[in-house]
Amino acid sequence: GENVEQHPSTLSVQEGDSAVIKCTYSDSASNYFPWYKQELGKGPQLIIDIRSNVGEKKDQRIAVTLNKTAKHFSLHITETQPEDSAVYFCAASREVTDSWGKLQFGAGTQVVVTP
Amino acid sequence: DTGVSQNPRHKITKRGQNVTFRCDPISEHNRLYWYRQTLGQGPEFLTYFQNEAQLEKSRLLSDRFSAERPKGSFSTLEIQRTEQGDSAMYLCASSLPEQGNPTNEKLLFGSGTQLSVL
Repeated sequence: GENVEQHPSTLSVQEGDSAVIKCTYSDSASNYFPWYKQELGKGPQLIIDIRSNVGEKKDQRIAVTLNKTAKHFSLHITETQPEDSAVYFCAASREVTDSWGKLQFGAGTQVVVTP
Repeated sequence: DTGVSQNPRHKITKRGQNVTFRCDPISEHNRLYWYRQTLGQGPEFLTYFQNEAQLEKSRLLSDRFSAERPKGSFSTLEIQRTEQGDSAMYLCASSLPEQGNPTNEKLLFGSGTQLSVL
């Protein structure tokens, strides 16, 4: 089955600096890679996703890059703000019974943005 | 309908008791997923429904766990004879594949039910 590894487990950044989180996956058939942000006491919130036919995707201060050959993908947050503090999860999936929702998650990265 | 709704938010039970959780997905979403999340870990897939049909179950879902979605709308997850190892956050997510582009499926999660088994 799929195995997703995520690094680092904790990341402390100064407000305004950039944050980068990296994930690797094992199943070469995986073709959908979402990123979720989870705040304390809440469910994961989808912040950006990328599919294997795309190498990079950007949405305002957030960008994701995908290297299918190396089987790794990364989340980049620029100009970090205190409200970016949360746990971030990467995930990977492939089609199973016409669904891409059987996600394999990484263990998460606790991001702390200090003012 | 602003999102996926889960009830209760918290449940404390004694070992051996049965518990049931409810999930109300976003109204037009035909797919519904259950995940489990333990402290410090990412969510783990348990099962999923397309309309009322349960299409896949994880090996994590022992025979003490049962999920239903009788009318293709809300879903329930029941755990019988709870064990301390069942303590976790149980998350529900729903999705609606994009018309004409079924690969464009995005899971939207609820806030979860936190289960504590004493």
